[in-house]
Amino acid sequence: GENVEQHPSTLSVQEGDSAVIKCTYSDSASNYFPWYKQELGKRPQLIIDIRSNVGEKKDQRIAVTLNKTAKHFSLHITETQPEDSAVYFCAEGYTGGFKTIFGAGTRLFVKA
Amino acid sequence: DVKVTQSSRYLVKRTGEKVFLECVQDMDHENMFWYRQDPGLGLRLIYFSYDVKMKEKGDIPEGYSVSREKKERFSLILESASTNQTSMYLCASRRTAMNTEAFFGQGTRLTVV
Repeated sequence: GENVEQHPSTLSVQEGDSAVIKCTYSDSASNYFPWYKQELGKRPQLIIDIRSNVGEKKDQRIAVTLNKTAKHFSLHITETQPEDSAVYFCAEGYTGGFKTIFGAGTRLFVKA
Repeated sequence: DVKVTQSSRYLVKRTGEKVFLECVQDMDHENMFWYRQDPGLGLRLIYFSYDVKMKEKGDIPEGYSVSREKKERFSLILESASTNQTSMYLCASRRTAMNTEAFFGQGTRLTVV
């Protein structure tokens, strides 16, 4: 069935360093890959998404890359700051479909 | 700003009770979802609805049912609460399947004792 594997489950970086979170999916029909950030005690919120017709997308300090052949996509955060500390979820779906499958989440700690 | 509001932030219920979790969105979204969030398991889909009175099972529907009588409201029902249903429950809404960003409620932490 549909499945998204997310690694690592926990990531600790020093402020200013980069952080990378990787996800692998199984459904070759998937064409939409969002990333959500959930700060402690708050609701998940979309931070960036990518569709299968592009290989990379950037928004200031965050970027997402997609390799459709290998069925994996990654979130890159550069120049990390303490406010980047949160749980990050990758997800996969397809436009026109209803289900979005989420990864298990990565807890990112940014040490000041 | 899209608002998705869940009726309770924290709930404590007894085993065997019938439990209602309510979710309301104010942006005329067609699609609504119920997820449960458990450590190490991410967000798992319980049920979703793509229109009024329409519902579909997600990945873990056992022990749950849903109701969508009005477009803005989606209710999750635990017919007979059990301790393994202790969890964080998140409601989400989305305009249509083509508009794929989901907006989440603040969550309801349910404890079944």
